[in-house]
Amino acid sequence: GQQLNQSPQSMFIQEGEDVSMNCTSSSIFNTWLWYKQEPGEGPVLLIALYKAGELTSNGRLTAQFGITRKDSFLNISASIPSDVGIYFCAGQLPLDSGYALNFGKGTSLLVTP
Amino acid sequence: DSGVTQTPKHLITATGQRVTLRCSPRSGDLSVYWYQQSLDQGLQFLIQYYNGEERAKGNILERFSAQQFPDLHSELNLSSLELGDSALYFCASSVGSGGAIDEQFFGPGTRLTVL
Repeated sequence: GQQLNQSPQSMFIQEGEDVSMNCTSSSIFNTWLWYKQEPGEGPVLLIALYKAGELTSNGRLTAQFGITRKDSFLNISASIPSDVGIYFCAGQLPLDSGYALNFGKGTSLLVTP
Repeated sequence: DSGVTQTPKHLITATGQRVTLRCSPRSGDLSVYWYQQSLDQGLQFLIQYYNGEERAKGNILERFSAQQFPDLHSELNLSSLELGDSALYFCASSVGSGGAIDEQFFGPGTRLTVL
């Protein structure tokens, strides 16, 4: 699969702070997705982006699909303890007759009260 | 709860053995996807089935195989297991055959440990 570079690898912040993470690729993707994974569970979709330049919000989360289609960022505003988890970016492109998700290595977020 | 179920939750076995992981998709979903999550490789797409037929193939080893049954549940078979196969294996399902707006819902995973 295509290599996605996600940064930072981990973040340790205080409750109320804003968080920003990003993902870059050497390849162009048709769709960018952001997932959150909590211990013992599978990834859960947070935000999906379908068009270059698109900026989408989901509550305190905001994500953008880069103009070059090779990058995306996710911002979390006013973080709370339940934001703790691993955040993954994923790019989607056609794979033969199906679609495969290519995931970044994840950003581990810890929030202290 | 995503509605995707996976069994078993944990599996411990020895090198050289064969195991079967099972996945039941959400009601109404026709596609099943298998992913492997390891510390060094991250989440890697293995294979997708749609309505019983193989739809897309990713980084799946020849020692691994999968199938989707008429009731749409899927099994991932891992054989001649090696230490490096130890990982979390996730199943996901979606309504359609895959695509930009065909959201994938992930199950809780099966943790495989090969000793």
